[in-house]
Amino acid sequence: KAGVTQTPRYLIKTRGQQVTLSCSPISGHRSVSWYQQTPGQGLQFLFEYFSETQRNKGNFPGRFSGRQFSNSRSEMNVSTLELGDSALYLCASSLGQGGLNPFFGQGTRLTVV
Amino acid sequence: AQTVTQSQPEMSVQEAETVTLSCTYDTSESDYYLFWYKQPPSRQMILVIRQEAYKQQNATENRFSVNFQKAAKSFSLKISDSQLGDAAMYFCAYRRPYGGSQGNLIFGKGTKLSVKP
Repeated sequence: KAGVTQTPRYLIKTRGQQVTLSCSPISGHRSVSWYQQTPGQGLQFLFEYFSETQRNKGNFPGRFSGRQFSNSRSEMNVSTLELGDSALYLCASSLGQGGLNPFFGQGTRLTVV
Repeated sequence: AQTVTQSQPEMSVQEAETVTLSCTYDTSESDYYLFWYKQPPSRQMILVIRQEAYKQQNATENRFSVNFQKAAKSFSLKISDSQLGDAAMYFCAYRRPYGGSQGNLIFGKGTKLSVKP
């Protein structure tokens, strides 16, 4: 079966703009989590969505938001982009909320210039 | 708050040899899960092995095994018979046992493993 699909794979945005990233989970998976990966901070948890509701949230400013649709696809949005938002954004899906075996996508590489 | 530390930013191993990657963690909880993930250049995080803290037996998956020392809060990964395809970033991760609203992974900073032919 198809894995976790993230689109786009690469993105270049200008400081101050906003961006939307998409994540399609494995069929049947209802939980989607987002992580930010940077060389300096490493991998940090952003948030988790389950059944269209945010269930868990990391320590990120309100500029970072997300949502989940009825088909479990999820989007995350970053408004008023800053240079420090340049990162690899990884999405992971699992069957249930806080699932033990999340499957990761290949990520979206966001560059803010 | 829980923290995960990987003290080796880079490691190198000869093909067919054995290498051990180190990980320590800090938690006040008695039950939790520990993971090793591999991230090759393709960037996709791949689960290598998982250990439940309540299990005393060390987890093993083919050439990969762990040395779990609960009292010392240590969780090292041993890769036997290293192959060129093992070259990647390896991340140690912690997760609380309850999942639910606190089921996110807490990652270490990673160890870059190179495999020499």
